[in-house]
Amino acid sequence: EVQLVESGGVVVQPGGSLRLSCAASGFTFDDYAMHWVRQAPGKGLEWVSLISWDGGSTYYADSVKGRFTISRDNSKNSLYLQMNSLRAEDTALYYCAKEYGDDDNAFDIWGQGTMVTVSS
Amino acid sequence: QSALTQPASVSGSPGQSITISCTGTSSDVGGYNYVSWYQQHPGKAPKLMIYEVSNRPSGVSNRFSGSKSGNTASLTISGLQAEDEADYYCSSYTSSSSGSVFGTGTKVTVL
Repeated sequence: EVQLVESGGVVVQPGGSLRLSCAASGFTFDDYAMHWVRQAPGKGLEWVSLISWDGGSTYYADSVKGRFTISRDNSKNSLYLQMNSLRAEDTALYYCAKEYGDDDNAFDIWGQGTMVTVSS
Repeated sequence: QSALTQPASVSGSPGQSITISCTGTSSDVGGYNYVSWYQQHPGKAPKLMIYEVSNRPSGVSNRFSGSKSGNTASLTISGLQAEDEADYYCSSYTSSSSGSVFGTGTKVTVL
């Protein structure tokens, strides 16, 4: 079964750090670019970051650039998001998502999400 | 990286057709054929319904179709069914970040 499982979401204080993980199974992980997408409670989807199949290229939304770092370990079929200098507005459900094809910016497989709450 | 603009809500009766618009700029929707559409039911992860403007992934009903004209993409749902009631989001590649940008989201109500 093709599956993505996120973990690592917790309650963290403003200014704190956190690392999210996403474990992939059921497909050839290193064939695909991967993304992080977030959704604040009751709000819409917001794209966060993209990493190429080999980790050689990374891209970020302006709202997280300089604070978040995306990475992957293809030997472990895992995707990561290192989140630093967290703000209240980073509170959201964080999804990892697999890119459908070759650089088509469509996401065909999503995890169930992991909740990050930034609060004192 | 402003969000793409969608109507907040669209409604229709069972069997009818509805269309959801998604308006961007020449840096995203208008400049590339990388527009996708997602359906999200409450408490669930989004589901890919359309990719590359008008293509349906395997398993998605042919009642869903996509198109694009200029800076505006559209999703049409024909033969509206109760199970289509959900939130819908468009997404596009954007040259401003070389990543993606989502639409503001549209709540579809089946009357």
